[in-house]
Amino acid sequence: AQRVTQPEKLLSVFKGAPVELKCNYSYSGSPELFWYVQYSRQRLQLLLRHISRESIKGFTADLNKGETSFHLKKPFAQEEDSAMYYCALKTGGGNKLTFGTGTQLKVEL
Amino acid sequence: GAVVSQHPSRVICKSGTSVKIECRSLDFQATTMFWYRQFPKQSLMLMATSNEGSKATYEQGVEKDKFLINHASLTLSTLTVTSAHPEDSSFYICSARDRITGGTDTQYFGPGTRLTVL
Repeated sequence: AQRVTQPEKLLSVFKGAPVELKCNYSYSGSPELFWYVQYSRQRLQLLLRHISRESIKGFTADLNKGETSFHLKKPFAQEEDSAMYYCALKTGGGNKLTFGTGTQLKVEL
Repeated sequence: GAVVSQHPSRVICKSGTSVKIECRSLDFQATTMFWYRQFPKQSLMLMATSNEGSKATYEQGVEKDKFLINHASLTLSTLTVTSAHPEDSSFYICSARDRITGGTDTQYFGPGTRLTVL
């Protein structure tokens, strides 16, 4: 069965410091990975997906199949990055998303 | 951008009553909608996949007769919690799938509905 693990419930960094939110997955097929973000009092929204190989709001994430990881990174954290981040896995051929438990990122001044 | 709405945003009901939650895609057609449940400080758990014009597909452990899903049109899916009990109290979130040109699809999430059963 597929599973997404986000080991950190809370990550606190200072403004300007690098950020890495960890995500590991377990899936026997070809995975499709996403990062979703939920800002305070707002709905869940897509941040980025691995197949697009894009950088959104300075965030990047590389799929590492050898380590089954899809860590989210940003070189310099901004205060507005404070939010809840969820890693999600879409199984091949299906439309269902399996979410990790989320990591609360807090950027302090 | 694509917007998904949910109604109501918050509902309080008595034990034993039924509650209907609506999920609408406002500016796109959604052949597939998803219903999730989120407990406090926990992740989203997929309950069921709702396909327009056909029966919903429920995840293992989710009672079909308890959580009735109707996807009557390309812009509306409803979740009815029947004979609600306090343990059904939770945050229910829907998402709608919009197929973007090129084959990649994206799920857009509603703001959620907070259900409290007394």
